Amino acid sequence: NAGVTQTPKFQVLKTGQSMTLQCAQDMNHEYMSWYRQDPGMGLRLIHYSVGAGITDQGEVPNGYNVSRSTTEDFPLRLLSAAPSQTSVYFCASTNRGGRTEQFFGPGTRLTVL
Amino acid sequence: AQKITQTQPGMFVQEKEAVTLDCTYDTSDPSYGLFWYKQPSSGEMIFLIYQGSYDQQNATEGRYSLNFQKARKSANLVISASQLGDSAMYFCAMNPPRGAQKLVFGQGTRLTINP
Repeated sequence: NAGVTQTPKFQVLKTGQSMTLQCAQDMNHEYMSWYRQDPGMGLRLIHYSVGAGITDQGEVPNGYNVSRSTTEDFPLRLLSAAPSQTSVYFCASTNRGGRTEQFFGPGTRLTVL
Repeated sequence: AQKITQTQPGMFVQEKEAVTLDCTYDTSDPSYGLFWYKQPSSGEMIFLIYQGSYDQQNATEGRYSLNFQKARKSANLVISASQLGDSAMYFCAMNPPRGAQKLVFGQGTRLTINP
């Protein structure tokens, strides 16, 4: 199993550009999440999904959209990139049930100029 | 709302010594899970250990153990016999009931193991 994969690994955008960060998992996990990690800080939840067709906002959702059309994929869309969105983005997945840890992808390092 | 506090921005420990990384949490939910993750310089997030709020015994996973003091709302990570490869950022996190997908993280502690 590949686990959780993310593409691209690195991306540079100009202010105002849009893009989609891809995330896929092959573990048949119901739950998927997107986090951002800013320098010197822990991860903060952007959006999450509890199943195909079901998404909800996390702590810092502004400027981002998500959709979940399949169990495997959970893309994150930046609508109009801003320098404040410069960060490392992590996708994670897990199964239902509080005893299971989240499995994280390798992250995407995004810079917005 | 849930909150995680890690008060040690950085720690320096001699190789082979034991180290304790502090974590306190705040929640009004009686049911929750506590996690520790390791983030090496390469950037990936590695799960270390889990403690459920109703677990009677402290969790252990190899050299890692979790010192869970529910009344004090603390969940400290203990690493025994530290190794150079333990140098990394360590994050404490928690999730609410039925919220396995909604982790709340602390700011992390950077651990450096000196030879």
